[in-house]
Amino acid sequence: NAGVMQNPRHLVRRRGQEARLRCSPMKGHSHVYWYRQLPEEGLKFMVYLQKENIIDESGMPKERFSAEFPKEGPSILRIQQVVRGDSAAYFCASSPRRAGAEAFFGQGTRLTVV
Amino acid sequence: AQSVTQLDSHVSVSEGTPVLLRCNYSSSYSPSLFWYVQHPNKGLQLLLKYTSAATLVKGINGFEAEFKKSETSFHLTKPSAHMSDAAEYFCVVSVTNFGNEKLTFGTGTRLTIIP
Repeated sequence: NAGVMQNPRHLVRRRGQEARLRCSPMKGHSHVYWYRQLPEEGLKFMVYLQKENIIDESGMPKERFSAEFPKEGPSILRIQQVVRGDSAAYFCASSPRRAGAEAFFGQGTRLTVV
Repeated sequence: AQSVTQLDSHVSVSEGTPVLLRCNYSSSYSPSLFWYVQHPNKGLQLLLKYTSAATLVKGINGFEAEFKKSETSFHLTKPSAHMSDAAEYFCVVSVTNFGNEKLTFGTGTRLTIIP
């Protein structure tokens, strides 16, 4: 059983471009969480999704950020019109049930905005 | 509101000596507390968790942590460090509020093992 897969591992975007981060949960997991880690800071919750539903997006910036978890395929975190401050590591976690701390984490996507 | 403070950003110990990674928390509710480890180029792995049962919690790889409510601490210890313990360690507090569980991460402690 492969772990949580995130791709790409590293992503470089110019200011104003769009960034799409993908997360394939572990087999059988229908709950996905996204976290962001800014330099020298801890991981901060962004959004919690189940298949086709956003359950909690209280940590998502109000503009430019969106997330989805379709019935088929990976969860996508989308950042439009990226700015330098979006540079961070983005981690995805998946769980078979709603138990945030016992989720399994991916290796993260490191986004660099130049 | 809840918060986590990891008191040391870097800790270096010699192989075979004890490890102590310090964590203090604050929470308005009864928290659950966790330690995660992140090895280079790997995802985060759960080491151990406290959820209001025994205050001394044993985890994987010989690690353990003690929940001390009076000191609002949840320090991570290991009697004898191994080279494979070199990694980043995160202390995490979790509070369930209206059915939603929120994790608050500390800023991490990088553990270096000296041969």
